[in-house]
Amino acid sequence: DTGVSQNPRHKITKRGQNVTFRCDPISEHNRLYWYRQTLGQGPEFLTYFQNEAQLEKSRLLSDRFSAERPKGSFSTLEIQRTEQGDSAMYLCASQLGTSGGNEQFFGPGTRLTVL
Amino acid sequence: KNQVEQSPQSLIILEGKNCTLQCNYTVSPFSNLRWYKQDTGRGPVSLTIMTFSENTKSNGRYTATLDADTKQSSLHITASQLSDSASYICVVSANAGAGSYQLTFGKGTKLSVIP
Repeated sequence: DTGVSQNPRHKITKRGQNVTFRCDPISEHNRLYWYRQTLGQGPEFLTYFQNEAQLEKSRLLSDRFSAERPKGSFSTLEIQRTEQGDSAMYLCASQLGTSGGNEQFFGPGTRLTVL
Repeated sequence: KNQVEQSPQSLIILEGKNCTLQCNYTVSPFSNLRWYKQDTGRGPVSLTIMTFSENTKSNGRYTATLDADTKQSSLHITASQLSDSASYICVVSANAGAGSYQLTFGKGTKLSVIP
């Protein structure tokens, strides 16, 4: 257990529905990252926050995706009008400090299945 | 384009044997290289982080090497155990400037340790 929690762990939804995932990072970690991982692939960067500010978004993050970290603690990732191609594991990671050498601690992930 | 290539894609070894996983990267400007272990259905867990000046770093039975000149890294696992069965992901961090950096993930090597 890395100290990063994600809920739910599994989500099955029908195409076109909206889903929301939550990530609770390690307390006091100021950076929070979202990644997407499909079967047999490494994680792909989606977006990251420094405190409550969303500093970068990948081109993978279409306008159907939105992420928030309103109080600089937990974060939510919402996918609107889900598509079958959204099926993946969504990983959250937190980091203390802003140095590129600091370790990222990953949560267990939320596995999304879109039917 | 930043890329991380890992080999082999999958590997099966007998319990107690040693093995070596390879990682080649074309990432610039290089900041650090990380190896993660990811159990099936779980988030990645960090094994080692190496900067440009580090050639070798160990974590128990795991030893990572880095050759920054040839842009190659390896992860050596000694006296493998059944619990070592997992995907091992090589991740290279590039300094994107202004306090930002980009992680490029390999696809991982899936290791199976059999009794």
